[in-house]
Amino acid sequence: QSALTQPRSVSGSPGQSVTISCTGTSSDVGGYNYVSWYQQHPGKAPKLMIYDVSKRPSGVPDRFSGSKSGNTASLTISGLQAEDEADYYCCSYAGSYFLVVFGGGTKLTVL
Amino acid sequence: EVQLVESGGGLVQPGGSLRLSCAASGFTFSSYWMSWVRQAPGKGLEWVANIKQDGSEKYYVDSVKGRFTISRDNAKNSLYLQMNSLRAEDTAVYYCARVPPGDYYGSGSYYFDYWGQGTLVTVSS
Repeated sequence: QSALTQPRSVSGSPGQSVTISCTGTSSDVGGYNYVSWYQQHPGKAPKLMIYDVSKRPSGVPDRFSGSKSGNTASLTISGLQAEDEADYYCCSYAGSYFLVVFGGGTKLTVL
Repeated sequence: EVQLVESGGGLVQPGGSLRLSCAASGFTFSSYWMSWVRQAPGKGLEWVANIKQDGSEKYYVDSVKGRFTISRDNAKNSLYLQMNSLRAEDTAVYYCARVPPGDYYGSGSYYFDYWGQGTLVTVSS
């Protein structure tokens, strides 16, 4: 199963909005509403930010939102803050027992 | 507070074995599917294996099938990963992760809501 495709890097200034895309196929992203997003700061464990495409766990700011159109999922971060600078990974169910696939990760830089 | 603490990582030669452990606390361990996810140095995340609440179902990524075994001891609130025939490409930080309940009784969902801090496995001669 191939990894999902994410841009290697994105950037934005404080207060702006950025969107990170995650492109898969009809066998993963496009076939199921089971896309999740994780934030990872250097040397730290990943943290769940979005699950089931657009649901936010308690404690995650509403500046973070998720969506999906066809085979592409997106994570949008509005009102960028310095602490949002991190790597972001998407993840999708891929249709077999528990098979999940991750994207290659996107480094977000807050300018 | 949910806590997952991995241990057991280290340096091992190619072809060698290692057993990772994950100590869970702050939740009813026996009620959750659990997973191992790894991250090679400077690379992305890769799901490795997961196990049902009672250990009756186990699933693996193709690259570790036949070499790795996931297990759990609900009495000890612990998750394990026995890794045999290790290869250089298994070098990674291994994370223990919790899988929230799915849509029907006993099922798991398809994401990870809590992660441990990870333990580094280095396979090198």
